[in-house]
Amino acid sequence: SAVISQKPSRDICQRGTSLTIQCQVDSQVTMMFWYRQQPGQSLTLIATANQGSEATYESGFVIDKFPISRPNLTFSTLTVSNMSPEDSSIYLCSARDGRTQETQYFGPGTRLLVL
Amino acid sequence: AQSVSQHNHHVILSEAASLELGCNYSYGGTVNLFWYVQYPGQHLQLLLKYFSGDPLVKGIKGFEAEFIKSKFSFNLRKPSVQWSDTAEYFCAVNPLGSKLSFGAGTTVTVRA
Repeated sequence: SAVISQKPSRDICQRGTSLTIQCQVDSQVTMMFWYRQQPGQSLTLIATANQGSEATYESGFVIDKFPISRPNLTFSTLTVSNMSPEDSSIYLCSARDGRTQETQYFGPGTRLLVL
Repeated sequence: AQSVSQHNHHVILSEAASLELGCNYSYGGTVNLFWYVQYPGQHLQLLLKYFSGDPLVKGIKGFEAEFIKSKFSFNLRKPSVQWSDTAEYFCAVNPLGSKLSFGAGTTVTVRA
């Protein structure tokens, strides 16, 4: 199994600012993903982080708002840009190694509050 | 639209009661199936998974799930719950070559 860590674990931010969340996996994985989990709700996929190329975004999410980087097979960042209170949520990093197994693992999440 | 449906939004039961959570999906073709659990204040953990073979799969903490292909279902069961099973339970479906999709989740509250 993959062990995933995220930084920061939580943050309180002012509207209009940006926050970058880091995700580190303890092994090389082919696929990394970013999800959002709003209070009391299920997980919504924001985008698939592609190594060496632009991320693939789901409907309703755009690169200008959620720029993503993935410089190698173990690390990715998600930036929440120009934040508003509606961005308050838990952001989760996830990883799956399609070469060896199809189980998708999740990080502990970053709890974001925007004032 | 393709989707994952969890029938119960909130289940309340007493310790030692049996638990069954329903999950249906609408994807055709081959799928991988998962149940994840999120304990209060903790992150999402894998409870069990089904890829192929025996449709009755056993997971951690005494949980099991049965895949019924004809019914597009993957229901989760536990014969006797404990207070520590209080958590949010998510069914997830991964059609081969596609993305993991989650159900809305079921909150399970076990009363001591």
